[in-house]
Amino acid sequence: AQKVTQAQTEISVVEKEDVTLDCVYETRDTTYYLFWYKQPPSGELVFLIRRNSFDEQNEISGRYSWNFQKSTSSFNFTITASQVVDSAVYFCALSNTGGFKTIFGAGTRLFVKA
Amino acid sequence: DSGVTQTPKHLITATGQRVTLRCSPRSGDLSVYWYQQSLDQGLQFLIHYYNGEERAKGNILERFSAQQFPDLHSELNLSSLELGDSALYFCASSVAPDSYYTDTQYFGPGTRLTVL
Repeated sequence: AQKVTQAQTEISVVEKEDVTLDCVYETRDTTYYLFWYKQPPSGELVFLIRRNSFDEQNEISGRYSWNFQKSTSSFNFTITASQVVDSAVYFCALSNTGGFKTIFGAGTRLFVKA
Repeated sequence: DSGVTQTPKHLITATGQRVTLRCSPRSGDLSVYWYQQSLDQGLQFLIHYYNGEERAKGNILERFSAQQFPDLHSELNLSSLELGDSALYFCASSVAPDSYYTDTQYFGPGTRLTVL
């Protein structure tokens, strides 16, 4: 069975701190895809990234970076120099089809204080 | 603005009733996805349509059904509603059917359904 665990329910940081959101997944598939989504207080969902299980290269996009480690079944998300606008719930998700038929983690609520 | 529209924004109805949620994808997107977000179940994938055809099903109840029309808009029909169906229902769209690696997904603002 597939499963995504986001053990951190809530994280609170002060602006400009770096913060890492953990995501651990379980799957028996050799090909799978991992995702991160953001849900700001306004409620909409925003797709952030999708990674293929064959591509373990870390990715950086501005202040965001993702660390994919197959050996530990983790796909962690780091925000560098956090800002108040980063306050949101962040969801990690897993798919075995490549598409967006995903299983979501419970989410991590991030509070960034000014 | 993601370009994905959902109507209505809010819907309040009673148990046993039937409702229809509507989604219009971004111009040019052929895939439509439906998700449910509730306090009990969290975020769940419901169903995926590509160019009018069902591509994948998730945890969608038999009381729920969906379709995608020739103009690519999609409707999610929820019937025999129960209190537990109260949730935020999101629609999302993307260009490709499923495994196009660089495809991006865009979400609508959601429809909040309250069943009393």
